[in-house]
Amino acid sequence: GIQVEQSPPDLILQEGANSTLRCNFSDSVNNLQWFHQNPWGQLINLFYIPSGTKQNGRLSATTVATERYSLLYISSSQTTDSGVYFCAVEPSDSGGSNYKLTFGKGTLLTVNP
Amino acid sequence: EAGVAQSPRYKIIEKRQSVAFWCNPISGHATLYWYQQILGQGPKLLIQFQNNGVVDDSQLPKDRFSAERLKGVDSTLKIQPAKLEDSAVYLCASSLRTGRMGQGEQYFGPGTRLTVT
Repeated sequence: GIQVEQSPPDLILQEGANSTLRCNFSDSVNNLQWFHQNPWGQLINLFYIPSGTKQNGRLSATTVATERYSLLYISSSQTTDSGVYFCAVEPSDSGGSNYKLTFGKGTLLTVNP
Repeated sequence: EAGVAQSPRYKIIEKRQSVAFWCNPISGHATLYWYQQILGQGPKLLIQFQNNGVVDDSQLPKDRFSAERLKGVDSTLKIQPAKLEDSAVYLCASSLRTGRMGQGEQYFGPGTRLTVT
């Protein structure tokens, strides 16, 4: 099956710093999503971005599908940004109507005040 | 628009007992997913429904896990009997996707944290 690798596994920042999280995937994809899992376990949708660039406030994401990677940028980080960031992909060669997401292991972000 | 609802939020049971989780997807979403997330890992798909039919249950331990989605809306996931290694968060998600039509973005519920002692 498709492999999803996220880096770095852990990241510690001071409030106000910027960061870049990376997601590499091993095959072509129909769907790529970035999630933030808050300390209560809720998965919050950040971006649905199978290709191109999107921005939402202090967050932006870029997916270069031909090179099989995606980047999540966090600018001016805040303590509330702390948590685990997951990248998840749906491979293009899914058979039939099986459209499941395969998740990476996540990046644990800690933002200190 | 209401999100994906799940209950209960927390459950503690002893091994060999049974437990059931409930999920109500976003209104109009044809596809429903159950994921298992073990501490420190990303979610892993257990079963996928499209309307009330099973699309993929290849990762579901069928000797102890079962799931249904009657009438193509709500869904329940059951574990009987539970084992210690079933301790995890069980997440339900839904999407508009129907076959190859519709956007595949998945939306997740708050999850049920299960502890098996």
